[in-house]
Amino acid sequence: DAGVIQSPRHEVTEMGQEVTLRCKPISGHDYLFWYRQTMMRGLELLIYFNNNVPIDDSGMPEDRFSAKMPNASFSTLKIQPSEPRDSAVYFCASSLTWGNTEAFFGQGTRLTVV
Amino acid sequence: GNSVTQMEGPVTLSEEAFLTINCTYTATGYPSLFWYVQYPGEGLQLLLKATKADDKGSNKGFEATYRKETTSFHLEKGSVQVSDSAVYFCALSRDAGGTSYGKLTFGQGTILTVHP
Repeated sequence: DAGVIQSPRHEVTEMGQEVTLRCKPISGHDYLFWYRQTMMRGLELLIYFNNNVPIDDSGMPEDRFSAKMPNASFSTLKIQPSEPRDSAVYFCASSLTWGNTEAFFGQGTRLTVV
Repeated sequence: GNSVTQMEGPVTLSEEAFLTINCTYTATGYPSLFWYVQYPGEGLQLLLKATKADDKGSNKGFEATYRKETTSFHLEKGSVQVSDSAVYFCALSRDAGGTSYGKLTFGQGTILTVHP
Protein backbone atom coordinates (compact mmCIF):
# COMPACT_ATOMS: atom_id res chain seq x y z
CA ASP A 1 0.00 0.00 0.00
CA ALA A 2 1.23 3.50 -0.79
CA GLY A 3 0.25 4.85 2.59
CA VAL A 4 -2.00 7.81 3.26
CA ILE A 5 -2.01 10.09 0.23
CA GLN A 6 -2.74 13.79 0.49
CA SER A 7 -3.09 16.34 -2.24
CA PRO A 8 -1.97 18.89 -3.03
CA ARG A 9 1.35 18.97 -1.17
CA HIS A 10 1.42 22.74 -1.33
CA GLU A 11 -1.38 25.25 -1.84
CA VAL A 12 -1.13 29.00 -2.06
CA THR A 13 -4.38 30.90 -2.29
CA GLU A 14 -5.72 34.38 -1.81
CA MET A 15 -7.79 35.37 1.16
CA GLY A 16 -11.47 34.77 0.53
CA GLN A 17 -10.97 31.88 -1.85
CA GLU A 18 -12.27 28.36 -1.27
CA VAL A 19 -9.65 25.73 -0.54
CA THR A 20 -10.15 21.97 -0.73
CA LEU A 21 -7.66 19.51 0.70
CA ARG A 22 -7.88 15.85 -0.22
CA CYS A 23 -6.97 12.60 1.49
CA LYS A 24 -6.93 8.95 0.49
CA PRO A 25 -6.57 6.71 3.54
CA ILE A 26 -4.87 3.33 3.61
CA SER A 27 -7.14 0.71 2.13
CA GLY A 28 -9.08 -1.14 4.80
CA HIS A 29 -8.61 1.48 7.50
CA ASP A 30 -11.92 2.52 9.01
CA TYR A 31 -10.83 5.59 10.95
CA LEU A 32 -9.75 8.84 9.32
CA PHE A 33 -8.39 11.87 11.15
CA TRP A 34 -7.66 15.45 10.08
CA TYR A 35 -4.99 17.36 12.02
CA ARG A 36 -3.63 20.88 11.71
CA GLN A 37 -0.08 21.90 12.60
CA THR A 38 0.85 25.51 13.37
CA MET A 39 3.75 27.09 15.19
CA MET A 40 1.45 28.66 17.75
CA ARG A 41 -0.84 25.74 18.55
CA GLY A 42 1.18 22.70 17.52
CA LEU A 43 -0.72 19.66 16.27
CA GLU A 44 -4.47 19.73 16.81
CA LEU A 45 -7.14 17.20 15.93
CA LEU A 46 -9.82 18.86 13.83
CA ILE A 47 -12.26 16.05 13.09
CA TYR A 48 -12.38 12.30 12.71
CA PHE A 49 -14.54 9.78 10.93
CA ASN A 50 -15.39 6.14 11.56
CA ASN A 51 -16.74 4.15 8.63
CA ASN A 52 -17.23 7.41 6.72
CA VAL A 53 -19.36 8.95 9.49
CA PRO A 54 -18.10 12.07 11.32
CA ILE A 55 -17.74 11.18 14.99
CA ASP A 56 -16.23 14.26 16.59
CA ASP A 57 -15.80 17.64 14.93
CA SER A 58 -15.26 19.62 18.11
CA GLY A 59 -11.78 20.59 16.94
CA MET A 60 -13.01 22.34 13.81
CA PRO A 61 -12.17 25.98 14.48
CA GLU A 62 -15.02 27.73 12.71
CA ASP A 63 -17.99 27.21 10.44
CA ARG A 64 -15.72 28.12 7.55
CA PHE A 65 -14.23 24.65 7.93
CA SER A 66 -16.06 21.56 6.75
CA ALA A 67 -15.04 17.96 6.12
CA LYS A 68 -16.66 15.11 4.26
CA MET A 69 -16.00 11.46 3.62
CA PRO A 70 -18.23 10.33 0.77
CA ASN A 71 -16.69 6.86 0.68
CA ALA A 72 -14.09 4.72 2.40
CA SER A 73 -11.28 5.82 0.13
CA PHE A 74 -11.66 9.59 0.02
CA SER A 75 -12.07 12.56 2.33
CA THR A 76 -11.97 16.32 1.86
CA LEU A 77 -11.36 19.24 4.16
CA LYS A 78 -12.76 22.50 2.82
CA ILE A 79 -12.18 26.06 3.97
CA GLN A 80 -14.55 28.67 2.62
CA PRO A 81 -13.70 31.52 2.72
CA SER A 82 -10.04 31.12 3.57
CA GLU A 83 -8.16 33.59 5.79
CA PRO A 84 -4.44 34.18 6.38
CA ARG A 85 -4.68 32.65 9.87
CA ASP A 86 -5.67 29.34 8.25
CA SER A 87 -2.11 29.03 6.96
CA ALA A 88 -0.77 25.77 8.38
CA VAL A 89 0.18 22.22 7.50
CA TYR A 90 -2.85 19.95 7.39
CA PHE A 91 -2.33 16.25 7.99
CA CYS A 92 -4.61 13.36 7.31
CA ALA A 93 -4.17 10.06 9.19
CA SER A 94 -5.91 6.71 9.14
CA SER A 95 -6.06 3.68 11.39
CA LEU A 96 -7.83 0.43 12.04
CA THR A 97 -10.39 -0.04 14.77
CA TRP A 98 -8.89 -3.22 16.06
CA GLY A 99 -5.45 -4.69 16.39
CA ASN A 100 -3.57 -2.19 18.52
CA THR A 101 -2.33 -0.35 15.47
CA GLU A 102 -1.22 3.22 15.36
CA ALA A 103 -2.39 6.01 13.10
CA PHE A 104 -0.51 6.40 9.83
CA PHE A 105 0.00 9.96 8.67
CA GLY A 106 0.15 11.43 5.21
CA GLN A 107 2.87 13.86 4.19
CA GLY A 108 0.61 16.82 4.76
CA THR A 109 -0.61 19.79 2.74
CA ARG A 110 1.12 23.08 3.40
CA LEU A 111 -1.51 25.79 2.98
CA THR A 112 -0.56 29.44 2.61
CA VAL A 113 -3.31 32.04 2.47
CA VAL A 114 -2.09 35.45 1.34
CA GLY B 1 -8.86 17.41 29.70
CA ASN B 2 -5.90 15.55 28.31
CA SER B 3 -2.60 17.33 27.85
CA VAL B 4 1.04 16.57 27.08
CA THR B 5 3.94 18.72 28.21
CA GLN B 6 7.17 18.23 26.39
CA MET B 7 10.66 19.47 27.01
CA GLU B 8 11.20 22.59 24.98
CA GLY B 9 13.96 22.67 22.46
CA PRO B 10 15.76 22.99 20.35
CA VAL B 11 18.21 20.35 21.48
CA THR B 12 21.62 20.30 19.86
CA LEU B 13 23.97 17.38 20.40
CA SER B 14 27.15 15.96 18.99
CA GLU B 15 27.08 12.55 17.35
CA GLU B 16 27.24 9.66 19.85
CA ALA B 17 25.94 11.82 22.71
CA PHE B 18 23.19 10.61 25.05
CA LEU B 19 19.71 11.95 24.40
CA THR B 20 16.84 12.54 26.80
CA ILE B 21 13.65 14.36 25.87
CA ASN B 22 11.25 14.75 28.77
CA CYS B 23 7.53 14.23 28.44
CA THR B 24 4.80 14.34 31.08
CA TYR B 25 1.09 13.98 30.62
CA THR B 26 -2.26 14.66 32.23
CA ALA B 27 -5.14 12.33 31.45
CA THR B 28 -8.00 10.51 33.05
CA GLY B 29 -7.88 6.78 33.14
CA TYR B 30 -5.20 4.85 31.33
CA PRO B 31 -4.06 6.44 28.10
CA SER B 32 -1.67 4.91 25.62
CA LEU B 33 1.54 6.85 25.07
CA PHE B 34 3.53 7.45 21.89
CA TRP B 35 6.57 9.09 20.46
CA TYR B 36 6.26 10.26 16.87
CA VAL B 37 9.10 11.61 14.72
CA GLN B 38 8.83 14.11 11.88
CA TYR B 39 11.70 14.41 9.42
CA PRO B 40 11.96 17.61 7.36
CA GLY B 41 9.18 17.89 4.81
CA GLU B 42 7.61 14.61 5.90
CA GLY B 43 4.58 13.47 7.82
CA LEU B 44 4.71 11.95 11.27
CA GLN B 45 5.99 8.43 11.79
CA LEU B 46 5.43 6.35 14.87
CA LEU B 47 8.73 5.81 16.68
CA LEU B 48 7.52 3.77 19.64
CA LYS B 49 4.55 3.26 21.92
CA ALA B 50 3.50 1.87 25.28
CA THR B 51 -0.05 0.93 26.13
CA LYS B 52 0.08 0.26 29.88
CA ALA B 53 2.01 1.23 32.96
CA ASP B 54 5.63 0.00 33.18
CA ASP B 55 5.66 -0.98 29.50
CA LYS B 56 8.82 -0.02 27.66
CA GLY B 57 8.58 0.95 24.03
CA SER B 58 11.71 0.68 21.91
CA ASN B 59 12.72 1.16 18.30
CA LYS B 60 15.89 2.14 16.39
CA GLY B 61 17.82 2.47 19.64
CA PHE B 62 15.24 4.78 21.22
CA GLU B 63 13.45 3.79 24.41
CA ALA B 64 10.71 5.18 26.64
CA THR B 65 9.04 3.71 29.73
CA TYR B 66 5.45 4.39 30.72
CA ARG B 67 5.66 5.66 34.32
CA LYS B 68 2.21 6.07 35.77
CA GLU B 69 3.46 7.16 39.18
CA THR B 70 5.23 10.17 37.67
CA THR B 71 2.91 10.48 34.62
CA SER B 72 5.96 10.51 32.39
CA PHE B 73 7.18 8.95 29.16
CA HIS B 74 10.71 10.27 28.61
CA LEU B 75 12.50 9.44 25.38
CA GLU B 76 16.11 8.24 25.54
CA LYS B 77 18.82 7.11 23.18
CA GLY B 78 22.30 6.12 24.22
CA SER B 79 24.16 7.31 21.13
CA VAL B 80 22.55 9.67 18.65
CA GLN B 81 23.42 9.91 14.97
CA VAL B 82 23.21 12.78 12.51
CA SER B 83 20.32 10.94 10.86
CA ASP B 84 18.30 11.29 14.09
CA SER B 85 17.94 15.03 13.48
CA ALA B 86 14.19 15.62 13.37
CA VAL B 87 11.26 16.89 15.41
CA TYR B 88 10.03 14.54 18.13
CA PHE B 89 6.48 14.57 19.43
CA CYS B 90 5.18 12.95 22.57
CA ALA B 91 1.49 12.05 22.38
CA LEU B 92 -1.26 10.27 24.21
CA SER B 93 -4.34 8.53 22.95
CA ARG B 94 -7.66 7.94 24.52
CA ASP B 95 -9.17 5.44 22.17
CA ALA B 96 -11.28 6.74 19.34
CA GLY B 97 -12.95 3.38 19.51
CA GLY B 98 -11.88 -0.20 19.79
CA THR B 99 -8.11 -0.07 19.88
CA SER B 100 -7.68 2.69 17.34
CA TYR B 101 -4.86 4.95 18.44
CA GLY B 102 -5.57 7.78 16.06
CA LYS B 103 -7.24 10.25 18.41
CA LEU B 104 -4.04 11.85 19.65
CA THR B 105 -3.15 14.73 21.92
CA PHE B 106 0.34 15.97 21.07
CA GLY B 107 3.03 17.82 22.91
CA GLN B 108 4.56 20.87 21.29
CA GLY B 109 7.43 18.97 19.73
CA THR B 110 11.18 19.10 20.33
CA ILE B 111 13.60 19.91 17.53
CA LEU B 112 16.72 17.75 17.71
CA THR B 113 19.83 18.63 15.74
CA VAL B 114 22.80 16.27 15.81
CA HIS B 115 26.17 17.52 14.56
CA PRO B 116 28.96 15.27 13.27
